[in-house]
Amino acid sequence: DIVMTQSPLSLPVTPGEPASMSCKSSQSLLYSNGYNYLDWYVQKPGQSPQLLIYLGSNRASGVPDRFSGSGSGTDFTLKISRVEAEDVGVYYCMQVLQTHKTFGGGTKVEIK
Amino acid sequence: EVQLVESGGGLVQPGGSLRLSCAPSGFTFSDYEMNWVRQAPGKGLEWVSYISSSGRTIYYADSVKGRFTISRDNAKYSLFLQMNSLRAEDTAVYYCAREGRWPPNFDLWGQGTLVTVSS
Repeated sequence: DIVMTQSPLSLPVTPGEPASMSCKSSQSLLYSNGYNYLDWYVQKPGQSPQLLIYLGSNRASGVPDRFSGSGSGTDFTLKISRVEAEDVGVYYCMQVLQTHKTFGGGTKVEIK
Repeated sequence: EVQLVESGGGLVQPGGSLRLSCAPSGFTFSDYEMNWVRQAPGKGLEWVSYISSSGRTIYYADSVKGRFTISRDNAKYSLFLQMNSLRAEDTAVYYCAREGRWPPNFDLWGQGTLVTVSS
């Protein structure tokens, strides 16, 4: 199975400031069709996970444009341009290239 | 309203069985592939199982293969996870998640149902 590694484990942020987190995969997630099979999800406190970004860089419906995904192959980044209080939660990356999907361990975003 | 609602969780002894259900609404169930994902207390997300829209293709995580069985009834708008030979490490909140054929992502999640395996 593909191993997904996220960093940092915890990310204290100041509202209004940018934030960035990393996700690395043990194998390339770039498929022959040119797409990176990597999604980002956020789990806010007490809630179910929800889709943020799919195929590496595409925002899901309703996701604010302060969220952006980038990267290719084995290295990916999720950025929040200006953090808001409602963005606290745990952010997970997940590879969807293989039939056995795997998640990263998560990055917990909290307000300083 | 487009939603998924899980049920069937509870307390079960080690070695016991439990059957989880997921009830979709607000969309055409047979158009979508489905997954089960679990989250142990205070831990991250773990993919458990996948079933294609027709039910003909199924995959399991190694941690549950041979013990869990995923199934669906498109006519009755239902998704199931039969869990046998339960272990303490199966204790988790179990989510059902909808997956579109393209793009491949889990675009809809249920609220989860808690399974506790303990004597």
